[in-house]
Parts: sequence; structure tokens; C-alpha cells
Amino acid sequence: QKEVEQDPGPLSVPEGAIVSLNCTYSNSAFQYFMWYRQYSRKGPELLMYTYSSGNKEDGRFTAQVDKSSKYISLFIRDSQPSDSATYLCAMGPGGGADGLTFGKGTHLIIQP
Amino acid sequence: SAVISQKPSRDICQRGTSLTIQCQVDSQVTMMFWYRQQPGQSLTLIATANQGSEATYESGFVIDKFPISRPNLTFSTLTVSNMSPEDSSIYLCSVAARGGTEAFFGQGTRLTVV
Repeated sequence: QKEVEQDPGPLSVPEGAIVSLNCTYSNSAFQYFMWYRQYSRKGPELLMYTYSSGNKEDGRFTAQVDKSSKYISLFIRDSQPSDSATYLCAMGPGGGADGLTFGKGTHLIIQP
Repeated sequence: SAVISQKPSRDICQRGTSLTIQCQVDSQVTMMFWYRQQPGQSLTLIATANQGSEATYESGFVIDKFPISRPNLTFSTLTVSNMSPEDSSIYLCSVAARGGTEAFFGQGTRLTVV
């Protein structure tokens, strides 16, 4: 079993839909949880990070962490064609300072 | 967020040769990291580069294959040595910022070994 599991997709939804992206993990030591967006031929761009369990909202994006289930989610409201990208979940015991373990990424397509 | 510049952005190399990738950050950072992103695979941490000490390598990566330098707090290099087609990948530099909790990435170096 890999430490972080993420469905690679592709996930295709119509513009304006709510998108739900998810990851599961197995390492109980993970305390910091991040979501990155990666456009083709670009480096990963940090979208959100969350410490421990709970929710965090930033504009159209909401990150949720359920440590009891070892399950994290990213919701995108009012999805736009410009949101089409690969979304990577990442996590670690000490955040970026300890190096991160990544999921494979989910390829998201927003249809106009 | 930190601005990270990587050079080269891409390269095509002959097997058996070596390539050195440079990473420049616009601010002083304690921790710098090198990752590899192979097609269809997760980003994988290669090593952590701290200024003034030897790099710390993850399981499966060795210094002879991926020597790293960290001469100061804004710069690091990763060398991919004695390359084979299996080394074809995207190599990414990353830094920890904002108290070490957030990690930022460069644009990556796309390496093709023929």
C-alpha cells in the first residue's frame, strides 16, 4: 500500500460544477496537508495547506482534513475552465521543512 | 512566496553523460529540496540540501548518482550522473518558507536521456 493514494482521473465536469478531489493516506505521523495545482509543463503551485484536522476556506477553494479517517479533500466551487490542471495532494509530519509525500495527482478537466 | 528559478528548463542528453541543474531562490532559505517527477508517478523526494552540511538522501537515492551542492542560502545544484533513459524525468527544486510549513517549487527541469 502506498503512503498516499489519489485517483489519477481524468475527472471531467461541466463549468460551474462543484469539484471534489480526495486523497487517503496511511501514515499517522502526517500533520500538515497541502494541495498543489500543476499546469502542463509548469511547477506545482501551492493552493492551500492545513494543519491537523478541520476545514480551511480560501475563495472558491475549501480544504478538509479528517485525520480519524486519514482522508483529505479539496472542493472547488463554481469551477472554471482555467481550473483545468492536475491537482496534487501532499503531506508530511512537519510540513515543507521535512519534505513531503505526494499523491500521483488528479487530472481535472472543466468543460466550458 | 519565494521565487525559485531553475536552469536549464529542459535538456536532451546522451546516455552516460551528466547534467547539472541549478536552483536559485530570491531569498535566503534554510531548507532546499530536490524532487523527481516521473511520468505517471508521484513527486518523489530525492534529497534535502542544507547549507554547510552534506545533503540527506532518501531511500533509493545515492550521492554518487545525484551529487548535490549547497554553497549558500540562496543556491543549490543537483547533478544527475552517468545518465540512462530511466533518468528521463522532471526534476524540481523546492524550498520551505513561512516558518517551514509551506513548500514552494520551481518550474522544473525536463530531462530526456537518449
